[in-house]
Amino acid sequence: EAGVVQSPRYKIIEKKQPVAFWCNPISGHNTLYWYRQNLGQGPELLIRYENEEAVDDSQLPKDRFSAERLKGVDSTLKIQPAELGDSAVYLCASSLATSGEQYFGPGTRLTVT
Amino acid sequence: GQSLEQPSEVTAVEGAIVQINCTYQTSGFYGLSWYQQHDGGAPTFLSYNALDGLEETGRFSSFLSRSDSYGYLLLQELQMKDSASYFCAVNRDDKIIFGKGTRLHILP
Repeated sequence: EAGVVQSPRYKIIEKKQPVAFWCNPISGHNTLYWYRQNLGQGPELLIRYENEEAVDDSQLPKDRFSAERLKGVDSTLKIQPAELGDSAVYLCASSLATSGEQYFGPGTRLTVT
Repeated sequence: GQSLEQPSEVTAVEGAIVQINCTYQTSGFYGLSWYQQHDGGAPTFLSYNALDGLEETGRFSSFLSRSDSYGYLLLQELQMKDSASYFCAVNRDDKIIFGKGTRLHILP
């Protein structure tokens, strides 16, 4: 069974530029999460989807971040414009149930210069 | 409010046993999870405790006391490959909240 797929693995952009991350969850997993992880910290939830509905986006900086999950499968997280403080690893995870075991993708390491 | 506390670093010797503690304060508590993350890698699930007591999976065990809002991860027969960060995470009815992680250093 394929795991959670993310792309790109690495991204370097200049501040004020846009950037997008893509995630393909494990087949059959209705719940999808986007996390941000700073060095030496735990993953911080940005948004959670149940199928195509965003059910928790309270931690998503909505002035510059947006996300979508069309057809309840793949998801895209976008930042526009990026700021220096957005440099982090962006992790996508999926699970069968909200409170269940989460499976993480390899993440996208974003560097904003 | 909600909070998770775990030591930032722990050091142990190869072949020994180490315990990583986690205390939490949150509403809507369902259970406590543990994840392992190697440098540059993704977090991977280790264990989940919904009820009080000890859960054992091979060399790893996890314990939960709901009345004390406390849990721990026990690693036995430590191997060098166990060098990683370990995160406790509170499972609530609406989300999972991760702690800041404990960096485990293993000495040969």
